[in-house]
Amino acid sequence: KAGVTQTPRYLIKTRGQQVTLSCSPISGHRSVSWYQQTPGQGLQFLFEYFSETQRNKGNFPGRFSGRQFSNSRSEMNVSTLELGDSALYLCASSPRPDRGYPGELFFGEGSRLTVL
Amino acid sequence: SQKIEQNSEALNIQEGKTATLTCNYTNYSPAYLQWYRQDPGRGPVFLLLIRENEKEKRKERLKVTFDTTLKQSLFHITASQPADSATYLCALDTCDLDNFNKFYFGSGTKLNVKP
Repeated sequence: KAGVTQTPRYLIKTRGQQVTLSCSPISGHRSVSWYQQTPGQGLQFLFEYFSETQRNKGNFPGRFSGRQFSNSRSEMNVSTLELGDSALYLCASSPRPDRGYPGELFFGEGSRLTVL
Repeated sequence: SQKIEQNSEALNIQEGKTATLTCNYTNYSPAYLQWYRQDPGRGPVFLLLIRENEKEKRKERLKVTFDTTLKQSLFHITASQPADSATYLCALDTCDLDNFNKFYFGSGTKLNVKP
């Protein structure tokens, strides 16, 4: 079974630009969540999608958005990039079908964003 | 405020010894606690999950304990090997009806196993 695939793996942007990151979950996983990882803050939850619906959102500004398609693939977008947005963005899929059961997270390799 | 603390200093141990990593939390009531391993430049990989009503869970050379009174989890690697060198993250899941799949991660502890 193929793992979680994230594209692109590396990208460099300048302040004020926007970026779109893509995530293909493991086949059959309907839950996709996104995390930002920085040396200072560790892994911070961005949002989670299930069946094309955002079920939960972390404490990030509205510049961070996402969506999920009918095939469970997900994208996240960051608009008006700031230097502090430089980070490793990780996508994780989970077989967790519903509340009440934790299910482990299966992470992709991440997209490393550098904002200059 | 909610906080998850892992020892930010690297843990250096000799091959063959037992490594013990600590995860402390405050202001959470986790239903589950998970441990992940992360290698440089890679995404975290799931290792073990323990429920709030379980005291201990084992998997091969790995052992996790969960003390909800102390609000602490200990992660042990017995007979450690240089290949165990990585950063280990703990993650809490409150299983809150309003927080689907919202995991709270510690900042991780870097383990160095010297041959």
